[in-house]
Amino acid sequence: EAGVTQSPRYAVLQEGQAVSFWCDPISGHDTLYWYQQPRDQGPQLLVYFRDEAVIDNSQLPSDRFSAVRPKGTNSTLKIQSAKQGDTATYLCASLDRTNTGQLYFGEGSKLTVL
Amino acid sequence: AQKVTQTQTSISVVEKTTVTMDCVYETRDSSYFLFWYKQTASGEIVFLIRQDSYKKENATVGHYSLNFQKPKSSIGLIITATQIEDSAVYFCAMRGHNTNTGKLTFGDGTVLTVKP
Repeated sequence: EAGVTQSPRYAVLQEGQAVSFWCDPISGHDTLYWYQQPRDQGPQLLVYFRDEAVIDNSQLPSDRFSAVRPKGTNSTLKIQSAKQGDTATYLCASLDRTNTGQLYFGEGSKLTVL
Repeated sequence: AQKVTQTQTSISVVEKTTVTMDCVYETRDSSYFLFWYKQTASGEIVFLIRQDSYKKENATVGHYSLNFQKPKSSIGLIITATQIEDSAVYFCAMRGHNTNTGKLTFGDGTVLTVKP
């Protein structure tokens, strides 16, 4: 079974540039999460979806961050006008409701904003 | 709102010994799940073990076990017979049982170093 796939693995931007991260969850997982993990910190939830619906985006900086999951499968997280404070690893995860209730994480997309 | 606190920033042990990592949590949910995840040097995050709040018995998986003290809102991770490859960052996390609160909240992690 394929795991959670993310791309790109790395991105380096100047402040003010935009970037999009893509995530393909495990097939059959209806719940998808985007987390931001700054260096030496735990993952912090940005947004999560059940199917195509946003369940919680209260921690998403809405002025520059956006996330979509139009068909309830793949998802895209976009950062417009990036700032140095956005430097972090962006993690996508999908939820296995039926078994242990655990999240399966992708390898992450490491963003550096210069 | 949920909150998870790991007070130990780092722990160093000699291999083959037992280590305990602490975690306390805050929640208003009456039923919830508690998890421990491990993040390796490559950045990969993997699930280790889960405790359901309504279960009194402590969960055990392989050489991982939990010390669940519900009155203290505490869920400690115990690793017995540690190995060099157990060196990693360990995160405690929790999720409400309500299907509308599927948000998983993490602590800031404890760095475990296992030395020969």
